Amino acid sequence: DGGITQSPKYLFRKEGQNVTLSCEQNLNHDAMYWYRQDPGQGLRLIYYSQIVNDFQKGDIAEGYSVSREKKESFPLTVTSAQKNPTAFYLCASSGQSLSYNSPLHFGNGTRLTVT
Amino acid sequence: DAKTTQPPSMDCAEGRAANLPCNHSTISGNEYVYWYRQIHSQGPQYIIHGLKNNETNEMASLIITEDRKSSTLILPHATLRDTAVYYCIVRVVNYGQNFVFGPGTRLSVLP
Repeated sequence: DGGITQSPKYLFRKEGQNVTLSCEQNLNHDAMYWYRQDPGQGLRLIYYSQIVNDFQKGDIAEGYSVSREKKESFPLTVTSAQKNPTAFYLCASSGQSLSYNSPLHFGNGTRLTVT
Repeated sequence: DAKTTQPPSMDCAEGRAANLPCNHSTISGNEYVYWYRQIHSQGPQYIIHGLKNNETNEMASLIITEDRKSSTLILPHATLRDTAVYYCIVRVVNYGQNFVFGPGTRLSVLP
């Protein structure tokens, strides 16, 4: 079945360490996104990519980095510069990047805890 | 900022229709209305989207007012498994085509 896979589901790190969250999709989608969700709040956009080797900052990109070397993969690195990294991280993809009516498809998220 | 306004919470009796409102008074002509829902600790699930006309699929119906300033998501026969946070989103038209999620409506389906 086609879908988005995020791994791992739970991740624990010590403060000061960088950590990379995986996101893989087999939907042949051009665009991929990373969102962050804090308890009781909506989703906030971190980074997005419309094509391979290109990505743009979202609303809260500080302390995060991404790469898009392959169409299927869009890993997110949470760096030690991110002041409040503990959160639920969601990866999503959508179809043709120039299509206005292409819905987002989400993975089931990675819950990161930094202590 | 989200371009939509939704009530923070709603209750619905099991088996009855759940009608979730959304206000998007500043919507522009080529922006679509999308609905997603999120069950606790999972990724949001796409439900339905529309531009002008009412839409229906196996999950729900979307009713958009003629002036497009508001819409209603209808779950015709709510079940306990429909308990979730429902997000109404207007697709921002720019290079990034960002989806902006507000806090949504927490729907509780009661037995």
